[in-house]
Amino acid sequence: AQSVTQPDIHITVSEGASLELRCNYSYGATPYLFWYVQSPGQGLQLLLKYFSGDTLVQGIKGFEAEFKRSQSSFNLRKPSVHWSDAAEYFCAVPRPAGNTGKLIFGQGTTLQVKP
Amino acid sequence: EPEVTQTPSHQVTQMGQEVILRCVPISNHLYFYWYRQILGQKVEFLVSFYNNEISEKSEIFDDQFSVERPDGSNFTLKIRSTKLEDSAMYFCASTPRGGSYEQYFGPGTRLTVT
Repeated sequence: AQSVTQPDIHITVSEGASLELRCNYSYGATPYLFWYVQSPGQGLQLLLKYFSGDTLVQGIKGFEAEFKRSQSSFNLRKPSVHWSDAAEYFCAVPRPAGNTGKLIFGQGTTLQVKP
Repeated sequence: EPEVTQTPSHQVTQMGQEVILRCVPISNHLYFYWYRQILGQKVEFLVSFYNNEISEKSEIFDDQFSVERPDGSNFTLKIRSTKLEDSAMYFCASTPRGGSYEQYFGPGTRLTVT
């Protein structure tokens, strides 16, 4: 079945440490890919998106993500985490890619940042 | 910067009652969406809306749900007879064009059905 998977439900990192959040998708063609962040009590904010071209994309708040076709992955990274990055992170794929583009979300990864 | 707004932020209702959740999408956007997120679960698509009609709806979006764009600015989600399992955060989103472009989300309405 077509899906978006975020294997890590909960991740805890120390402030200043690096971060990688995993996302895998199971669609045949190269999908468009998004990462959204949801801070407590807030809506969903787009961090970054991949449509085509350079497989390493830069986003807001110092985040980046790399699309790897061979691994069907689109992992989110940040070299140095700040306490304000504590939030829930969602990977999403629009389906169908060229139509209404409803977003299919992964389960989400909750990031906790230790001081 | 333009943003999607939603009202109310929190709605408490009794089972069987009708509720209307309101959204004001960004003014030049053409495609509108409702999603919901049950506590602790992932965000799920409910319905998409374009050109004054439903483009697509999920299995969740049964006859108890309806959407409307009553004027040029509001986009509403109505639940006719709420059930306990309708308790969730409901997000409205909009995008300037369809097909894989960024969706801008509102802050959500938390619906609690008692």
